[in-house]
Amino acid sequence: NAGVTQTPKFQVLKTGQSMTLQCAQDMNHEYMSWYRQDPGMGLRLIHYSVGAGITDQGEVPNGYNVSRSTTEDFPLRLLSAAPSQTSVYFCASSYSPTGPNEKLFFGSGTQLSVL
Amino acid sequence: AQTVTQSQPEMSVQEAETVTLSCTYDTSESNYYLFWYKQPPSRQMILVIRQEAYKQQNATENRFSVNFQKAAKSFSLKISDSQLGDTAMYFCALEETSGSRLTFGEGTQLTVNP
Repeated sequence: NAGVTQTPKFQVLKTGQSMTLQCAQDMNHEYMSWYRQDPGMGLRLIHYSVGAGITDQGEVPNGYNVSRSTTEDFPLRLLSAAPSQTSVYFCASSYSPTGPNEKLFFGSGTQLSVL
Repeated sequence: AQTVTQSQPEMSVQEAETVTLSCTYDTSESNYYLFWYKQPPSRQMILVIRQEAYKQQNATENRFSVNFQKAAKSFSLKISDSQLGDTAMYFCALEETSGSRLTFGEGTQLTVNP
């Protein structure tokens, strides 16, 4: 049971380069989300999806694109990386967004440095 | 907009003692969920405990318990009999039932000393 798998675990980019952070889950979860973690700021929501074909913006969406073509995958794209996007990125999923028994499963994170 | 504030960036406690981490929040909704997550040096996010706002009773999970004061919008975490493995960053988080967004606080770095 793999859970939520994020790749890569580490990445260094130059300013202006593009890349895609991959996220896959094998739990048939409808809800998936991306967070970034910065020192002293906790985790902030970038984008989320409540099902295949449906995405929405979170608190800090600028500079990031997402798509959800399948239930399993929710990639995060940086079209033109900037130093301000240096952060640790987490993907998370759950069966539904909220509920008394809902639990959010997190990936192990991607450390991204933009030089 | 919902907000979560953790006013203690760092705390330390001796092994076997009790420590309380503070969290305050703001929301305009009457029903929501509150969480404490633990992030050890491995970076993995681990759910410690959950509280549903419509439940009066404070949640407990083994050595972890919360003090939920709805009127004061306060949600503190008490760790009893602290263990070295409790050393981690702890995040308080809020989720409104009307939305799909989990809002995190800034985090409290807890160090348990032998």
